[in-house]
Amino acid sequence: ETGVTQTPRHLVMGMTNKKSLKCEQHLGHNAMYWYKQSAKKPLELMFVYNFKEQTENNSVPSRFSPECPNSSHLFLHLHTLQPEDSALYLCASSRVWEYERTDTQYFGPGTRLTVL
Amino acid sequence: DQQVKQNSPSLSVQEGRISILNCDYTNSMFDYFLWYKKYPAEGPTFLISISSIKDKNEDGRFTVFLNKSAKHLSLHIVPSQPGDSAVYFCAASAVGNTPLVFGKGTRLSVIA
Repeated sequence: ETGVTQTPRHLVMGMTNKKSLKCEQHLGHNAMYWYKQSAKKPLELMFVYNFKEQTENNSVPSRFSPECPNSSHLFLHLHTLQPEDSALYLCASSRVWEYERTDTQYFGPGTRLTVL
Repeated sequence: DQQVKQNSPSLSVQEGRISILNCDYTNSMFDYFLWYKKYPAEGPTFLISISSIKDKNEDGRFTVFLNKSAKHLSLHIVPSQPGDSAVYFCAASAVGNTPLVFGKGTRLSVIA
C-alpha cells in the first residue's frame, strides 16, 4: 500500500457542481495538508490539520471546505468553483512532534482538477 | 516575504555532468532542510534532507551542502541523467508545529 493516496486522480466539474477530493495516508502520521499547484506557480499551502485540528487556513475562499474526520483521512469539499481554481491539488502528511518539529512531509500523487 | 528562495527558475545540464541547484533562506530559525523532486502531474517526492548540525549529506548521486553562515544550501547531482529532469523544490523547517516552507522550485532539464 502506497503511503499517501488521493482520489480521484482527475476531475472535471462545472461551476455549479459539488464534489469532494479524498486523501488517505497509511504512514501513521498525525498531520495532513492540502496544497494547490497552479501552472507555473509555486506550491500554495491551503490547509493544515495537526492532530485532527485545523491549525492553518491560508486565506482560502470558502468554496473550498476541508474535513479531517481522523488522522488518516482528509477531504476537500468543493462547491461553486471558478475556472481559475483549475489546478493540481496535492495532499501531504507528516509526523508532528508537539513542541518539536514537523517531520518530512510525504505527498500524494495529486488530483488534477479542471473547472469548466 | 519569501523565506525560502530558489532564484533560478530553470537549469539545463548535459547528461553526465554535474547539476547544482541552489537555495537561500532568510529565517535563522530554520534548522532542517529538505529537497523534493516533482514530475509533471505528480506529487513531490522527498529526495534528501540535512540537519543544521551537518554541512553535508550524501545519498548516492545526490549530495546536499549547507552553509549556515551564508544561509545557503545546494543540491548536487552527479552524474546527471535524463531521468533527473524534473522540478526540484527546496524546503525548510524550524522547531515548532509549523509546516515546511517551500521555495518556488527550479526546473532541471538534463539533455542527452
